[in-house]
Amino acid sequence: AQSVTQPDIHITVSEGASLELRCNYSYGATPYLFWYVQSPGQGLQLLLKYFSGDTLVQGIKGFEAEFKRSQSSFNLRKPSVHWSDAAEYFCAVGLGSSASKIIFGSGTRLSIRP
Amino acid sequence: KAGVTQTPRYLIKTRGQQVTLSCSPISGHRSVSWYQQTPGQGLQFLFEYFSETQRNKGNFPGRFSGRQFSNSRSEMNVSTLELGDSALYLCASSLQGAGDTEAFFGQGTRLTVV
Repeated sequence: AQSVTQPDIHITVSEGASLELRCNYSYGATPYLFWYVQSPGQGLQLLLKYFSGDTLVQGIKGFEAEFKRSQSSFNLRKPSVHWSDAAEYFCAVGLGSSASKIIFGSGTRLSIRP
Repeated sequence: KAGVTQTPRYLIKTRGQQVTLSCSPISGHRSVSWYQQTPGQGLQFLFEYFSETQRNKGNFPGRFSGRQFSNSRSEMNVSTLELGDSALYLCASSLQGAGDTEAFFGQGTRLTVV
């Protein structure tokens, strides 16, 4: 069965420090991978996506993610976090047009230490 | 262009009542998906509509239903509300399907069942 695992429930980093959020997926075919961010009480905003091609993808707000097929991972990174990055981050797998749904991980809440 | 609009933003209903939520997708988008978000279960897929047809359905009881109109606007209905239906309901709009193209989320409808 398809699944997405985000092993870190809550991470705290200092402002200006680097960030890596982990994501592992289980899916038989080539996955469509996403990272979304959600601020409190808000909907989800797409940070970046991987469909094919270059395994290092750039997103908005200075985020990037690397697809590693051998590790079934799609970790999100940012070289220097800002206080405004505090939010919940969701990794997700898209199951293709015929399935037409996204399976989300359980999310990682990011707190920023001043 | 205008984003995804969900109405109402907040609802309070009594157990046993029914409720209808509305989602207006981005102009030109034919796919609308619905998700339920709760602290305990996270983000769970409810169903997806494409060109007025339900194309995929998640594992929710029959009390949860939806439909899509010719202008791609979608409604979801929950009958015989239970306390456990309290959640943030998110709608996602995409060109072809949230599984393999970029999905844009609305801000959600916060449903509280008392």
